[in-house]
Order: sequence, then C-alpha cells, then structure tokens
Amino acid sequence: KNQVEQSPQSLIILEGKNCTLQCNYTVSPFSNLRWYKQDTGRGPVSLTIMTFSENTKSNGRYTATLDADTKQSSLHITASQLSDSASYICVVSAAAGNKLTFGGGTRVLVKP
Amino acid sequence: GAVVSQHPSWVICKSGTSVKIECRSLDFQATTMFWYRQFPKQSLMLMATSNEGSKATYEQGVEKDKFLINHASLTLSTLTVTSAHPEDSSFYICSARGAGETEAFFGQGTRLTVV
Repeated sequence: KNQVEQSPQSLIILEGKNCTLQCNYTVSPFSNLRWYKQDTGRGPVSLTIMTFSENTKSNGRYTATLDADTKQSSLHITASQLSDSASYICVVSAAAGNKLTFGGGTRVLVKP
Repeated sequence: GAVVSQHPSWVICKSGTSVKIECRSLDFQATTMFWYRQFPKQSLMLMATSNEGSKATYEQGVEKDKFLINHASLTLSTLTVTSAHPEDSSFYICSARGAGETEAFFGQGTRLTVV
C-alpha cells in the first residue's frame, strides 16, 4: 500500500530559527515528490517538485532534499518568518496512473 | 503557476439542502479535475477524479449520489453536495491538471458548514 509519513506532526520554532521537516514514503513506482504549504483555510501551494534524479531543490528560504534510495525527503526552512506558520504537506506521485499520496502534514508555528 | 479558482470560499447551508461548489481553471484547459475533502488537522482526502466529458471516478467510500460531480467543460467542474447534513461540514478543495501535465494546481478551497 502506498503511504507517506511525515514527522513531526507539529512543531513550534522561534522567528529567525531554522527547522527541518521529514517525509518517508513507500510509493512505488515513484514519479515525483512535492512539498506544499497550506495556510489555514486555504488550498495548498506548491513549494518544490523533485523527480527521481533530483536530490535537492530550493525555493527561496525553502530547500527540499530527496533520497530516492532510502525513500526519504526533507524540507528545510531557513531563517523562519511569522508567515511561515502553516501546514507543510509532502505529496508523492506514483508513475502508474499519476495518483497522488498525501502525507498527514506537519503544522509549523513560528513565534516571535 | 496556473490559477485555479473555487467559488464560493465559504458557505453555510441548512441541513437537507444542496450546495454547489465551482472549480475553474482560469488560464489553462483542465482535462482532469480532482475533488478533495479535508477535516480539521487532517490531510487532504481524494473524493473523486473527473475527466472532461466523462463520468467521475469516485474513491471507495464516497457516495456518488450524494456528491455529484460535473465536468462539462475544460475550464469548469462542479461538486454538488446533495441533502447536506452537519457531518458533511468540511473544507472542500479542487485541483486541476492540463493534458499531458504531471502537476495539478489547487484551488483556494471552500469551507462548507451545514447547520
């Protein structure tokens, strides 16, 4: 069964600090992995998308890594800002049928 | 990225009535649209996939007669929650994907509250 597990479920960090979110998956055959940011009451917004051959991708202060061998990904937030408070969702796409498997998300709260 | 617009952003309806939610792709033709439901503090759950001009494919456990999906054009899909009940209160999100594309873009979501 295709699964995506994210950790931690939630975390609180101080403004200006860095943090790293984890994503482990068992989706096969793998097509791509995406990280989304979802503000409360809004739809998800894409941050990064990585295919099998890519092991790192940045979008401003967000840097995602992918280890396709261990089926792990991480999202690193640098110099966090209050506006980074949101849920971050890891989504893996299977090559067959292009079906998406969603992780449970990590809720990040940035405090001043 | 491409723009997907949902309407309304929020709606309150009485129990037993029906509610229609629209999902539009504003700057591309969406051959496939997806409808999700999201309960508080949970991730998105796929309800159904619709391809333009054909019947929607529903996920297991989703009642097709209760959640009517229409995808009559390449830029518009609608989800109608029929005979809504309080337990249908949720956040409904659509996403749209163009032909041959791998990425789907999400709408801003619709908060449905059934009282």
